Order: sequence, then C-alpha cells, then structure tokens
Amino acid sequence: DARVTQTPRHKVTEMGQEVTMRCQPILGHNTVFWYRQTMMQGLELLAYFRNRAPLDDSGMPKDRFSAEMPDATLATLKIQPSEPRDSAVYFCASGPTAGVRSSTDTQYFGPGTRLTVL
Amino acid sequence: QKEVEQDPGPLSVPEGAIVSLNCTYSNSAFQYFMWYRQYSRKGPELLMYTYSSGNKEDGRFTAQVDKSSKYISLFIRDSQPSDSATYLCATRLLNRDDKIIFGKGTRLHILP
Repeated sequence: DARVTQTPRHKVTEMGQEVTMRCQPILGHNTVFWYRQTMMQGLELLAYFRNRAPLDDSGMPKDRFSAEMPDATLATLKIQPSEPRDSAVYFCASGPTAGVRSSTDTQYFGPGTRLTVL
Repeated sequence: QKEVEQDPGPLSVPEGAIVSLNCTYSNSAFQYFMWYRQYSRKGPELLMYTYSSGNKEDGRFTAQVDKSSKYISLFIRDSQPSDSATYLCATRLLNRDDKIIFGKGTRLHILP
C-alpha cells in the first residue's frame, strides 16, 4: 500500500530554532507539494516541485522558509529561524503530473507534521 | 474573493440524515472538481472526482457540479458516525495543471 510518509509527526521547538521536515513521496510520483494548514487559513500551498525542479514557491515566506528535493525519494522543508506564527500542520503531497496517466490524476497526502513553536 | 469558498461549519446532523455540503468558486475556467475527506489528525484523502457539470454517484456519496452557478455540492445519504470529518472541496484549472485549489473545509459531525 503505497503512501506518502512524513517525519517527524510532531515537533515542539522554541522560537529562533531551525526546523526541518522531511517527506518521502510515493514511488513513481513526479510532483511534490508542501502545504500548511491552520484553522484560520485552511490549506495553503507553500511550494511545489515537478521532477525535482521547483516550479512555484510563491506561497512561502522566502526569508525563513526553504524547500528542496535532494533526490526523487526525499523532499525537505526548512524553517530558519522559526517563529510562533509558523505553528501549524505541514502536509506533503505527491502525485503524477496531472493528466499524463489519467484526467483524474490527483494528489495524495501524507499524515502531516504538527509543528508548535513556543 | 477567494477562488473557492466553503462554509467552515461545524455542521451537526443526526445519524441517518442526508447531508449536503456546498462550495462556490469564482473562476469559470475550472473544469475538474474534487472532494477530499480529512479525519482528525490525518491528511486529506480523495473522496470523489468529477469533470465539468453533472452528477457522480459512489455508494452513499453524490457529487454535483453546476457550472452555470459555479456551485459544487456533496451529498451523503444515510449518514454514519464514521462520516464525521472535515470535507474539503477542491478544483483544478486544466487537465495538465498540477496545482489544486482547496476550500477551507467544512467540519461535519454525525450524531449517533
């Protein structure tokens, strides 16, 4: 049963500390997405990759957030320095390039990383 | 105006009732419409996927799209406590557009 995995599942840290979140997309999926979910804003797209190349990171605060895909099996989202307003659940999702296999190609989400910044 | 609007609820209904969840969207070019279900402390999972206007049925679930009024609906028949979750509507612009635009989600409680 292929699924997206994310680590850590929970992270509590102090303001100013660096936070790194990791995601392993489903094998064979070539698009990877990072989302942030809060009660107020819902799901916000932070960044997205296709074939490991960043295509859109306009939703990400550039001064403190960075997203990379060092290889096809790993995506990372880093916050440095972290702030209390970064507290949220961060989801990674992966999928095939839309429409290549099927018009119903879509995204599959991981379980999320619940981040609390004190 | 956000591209996809959804009432956050919560919506509480008794077990066995018919549930109606709704969204509106602003861009008439959207062609693909989805409903995701998210259980507490889990990631969203795809529930239903429809193209353009019309109905699609899957068991107790029916997705409906009315492009003339830019309205998306999800109906749940014979609702069960296990249907308690947050339901997010979503849309995609084109067949080859990877990005999906999500509503904020409606929290649904089915009361036993």
